[in-house]
Amino acid sequence: QVQLQESGPGLVKPSETLSLTCAVSGYSISSGHYWGWVRQPPGKGLEWIGNIYHSGTTDYKSSLKSRVTISVDRSMNQFSLKLTSVTAADTAVYYCVHGYSISSPFDPWGQGTLVTVSS
Amino acid sequence: EIVLTQSPGTLSLSPGEGATLSCRASQSVSNNYLAWYQQRPGQAPRLLIYGASSRVNGLPHRFSGSGSGTDFTLTISRLEPEDFAVYYCQQYGNSVYTFGQGTKVEIK
Repeated sequence: QVQLQESGPGLVKPSETLSLTCAVSGYSISSGHYWGWVRQPPGKGLEWIGNIYHSGTTDYKSSLKSRVTISVDRSMNQFSLKLTSVTAADTAVYYCVHGYSISSPFDPWGQGTLVTVSS
Repeated sequence: EIVLTQSPGTLSLSPGEGATLSCRASQSVSNNYLAWYQQRPGQAPRLLIYGASSRVNGLPHRFSGSGSGTDFTLTISRLEPEDFAVYYCQQYGNSVYTFGQGTKVEIK
């Protein structure tokens, strides 16, 4: 079964780039499916950030599109999130997620990693 | 983008009672691609229901999903202590996924 584990810095300075990686186990990322990121500000709800599909196509939340890049590293069996020009509003728990097909929901989720934007 | 509005914001109930959670979409959800997730404190969300009414493997039958188009419901027939949590709906029917703001089911 697919398992996901996020990693990356827990503290990022304002205006810098947030970079996170999600290691995938139990499945070869080259074989298909789709991969994504969701975030949750402290005490608030879930916000979808974007997905990357087996084809390499990406979809992003419109309000984040200018700052977000999701990419796949097939050799490492992992995928990544980069969010540029961060502010305090980007402080959140970031979850990586998996979907079996373009018509399926997120399952499973990684455990999440808290990223704080502060100087 | 499709906006999902969940109601109520908070449900205060006792164990053994039933819960009805609503999720209303601003436009029709394609193919009823509507999911429900449960999030317990300090944990990642977990998928409960997909396709509006299909349970994931192993989900207790006290959980059921229903609805179509723009109106969806998650019903928990008899609340167990582990069911007190926050529940989110999500639509995945187009390329821009969205979540509802969540309903907290708390112990009365």
